[in-house]
Amino acid sequence: ETGVTQSPTHLIKTRGQQVTLRCSSQSGHNTVSWYQQALGQGPQFIFQYYREEENGRGNFPPRFSGLQFPNYSSELNVNALELDDSALYLCASSLGHSYNSPLHFGNGTRLTVT
Amino acid sequence: AQSVAQPEDQVNVAEGNPLTVKCTYSVSGNPYLFWYVQYPNRGLQFLLKYITGDNLVKGSYGFEAEFNKSQTSFHLKKPSALVSDSALYFCAVRESSSSASKIIFGSGTRLSIRP
Repeated sequence: ETGVTQSPTHLIKTRGQQVTLRCSSQSGHNTVSWYQQALGQGPQFIFQYYREEENGRGNFPPRFSGLQFPNYSSELNVNALELDDSALYLCASSLGHSYNSPLHFGNGTRLTVT
Repeated sequence: AQSVAQPEDQVNVAEGNPLTVKCTYSVSGNPYLFWYVQYPNRGLQFLLKYITGDNLVKGSYGFEAEFNKSQTSFHLKKPSALVSDSALYFCAVRESSSSASKIIFGSGTRLSIRP
């Protein structure tokens, strides 16, 4: 069974640039969620994709956008990067968007905005 | 709005002693509660969940958690701590009325087990 994989592991960008983060979900999982974890804080929900449609969104501005592909992999895009976007970005997959499905996390992408 | 509170930033325990990591929650409907653990430079790993049924839930690595509805708490426990249990622990809640698997995480508690 292949777990959740994320790429790249680390990334350095300049304020105002755009970034794309990628995630491959665990085998058999059709739902992907993205979280932002700032240093010293718990993960904050960005959005979720289920069967290629956005299925829920947290309190993040529209410059945070995403995609889910037919193979259930996903991308997180952030435009007009700000210094406060520096964080660990976590992708998590689950089987369906059922309330009792635990999330399976990747190791994250560490984004630094300078 | 749903929320989770972890009142302790850090918990220090001697190896072999019992440990408790505290969590309280606030939701408007039935709560679905989770504990996750995070090791350095890694993603979160699922430990256990409470959906319904017995108030004492058993999970991975010998951890268990006790659901208390009247106190709105879901404390994580282990009878005998190991040095390898040292990590960052997150309590999380999902509200039953939410259509998406939006899970709200607490701020985390760093568990340190001394030999």
